[in-house]
Amino acid sequence: NAGVTQTPKFQVLKTGQSMTLQCAQDMNHEYMSWYRQDPGMGLRLIHYSVGAGITDQGEVPNGYNVSRSTTEDFPLRLLSAAPSQTSVYFCASSRPQGHEQFFGPGTRLTVL
Amino acid sequence: AQTVTQSQPEMSVQEAETVTLSCTYDTSENNYYLFWYKQPPSRQMILVIRQEAYKQQNATENRFSVNFQKAAKSFSLKISDSQLGDTAMYFCAFPLRNTPLVFGKGTRLSVIA
Repeated sequence: NAGVTQTPKFQVLKTGQSMTLQCAQDMNHEYMSWYRQDPGMGLRLIHYSVGAGITDQGEVPNGYNVSRSTTEDFPLRLLSAAPSQTSVYFCASSRPQGHEQFFGPGTRLTVL
Repeated sequence: AQTVTQSQPEMSVQEAETVTLSCTYDTSENNYYLFWYKQPPSRQMILVIRQEAYKQQNATENRFSVNFQKAAKSFSLKISDSQLGDTAMYFCAFPLRNTPLVFGKGTRLSVIA
């Protein structure tokens, strides 16, 4: 049981490049979400999904795209990377409201 | 809007002493859940404790306990007998209706030997 896995662990991009951060969970959780963590800002919600085929925007969705074709996978796409997207990105999953969120180990992204 | 506020950006405590981290929140819901998460230098997010708002009894997990004041919308975390391994960022969080967690900005706790 791997829990929540994220790849890659580190990534450096140039401004304007695109990439996909991968997230997978093997706990059959309905909810999955993406957060970014910046110094002094806590974790801010980017996008989330309450089930396969359903996604919605969080607090800071601009510049990011998601899809949820299976229960297990929830990739985050950066369409055209900007230096303001330099951050640590966390994927998380949980059963519906009230249950513990399980987090992946995070991806440190630097955009030059 | 529903928000979470942690008013102490940094705190320190001597080993074996007790420390309390503050959290206030704003919601129009009546039934909800509240969480404290710990993030050590390894960056991994770890659940510390969970409180159900409809329960009057404060949650306790070993050396960690909460003081939940529903009317005041306050949810503080007390760490007793602090240990060096408690050094970490601590985040208060709760879910909006049908969404994942909303986090406070965190409190950086340093335990001093």
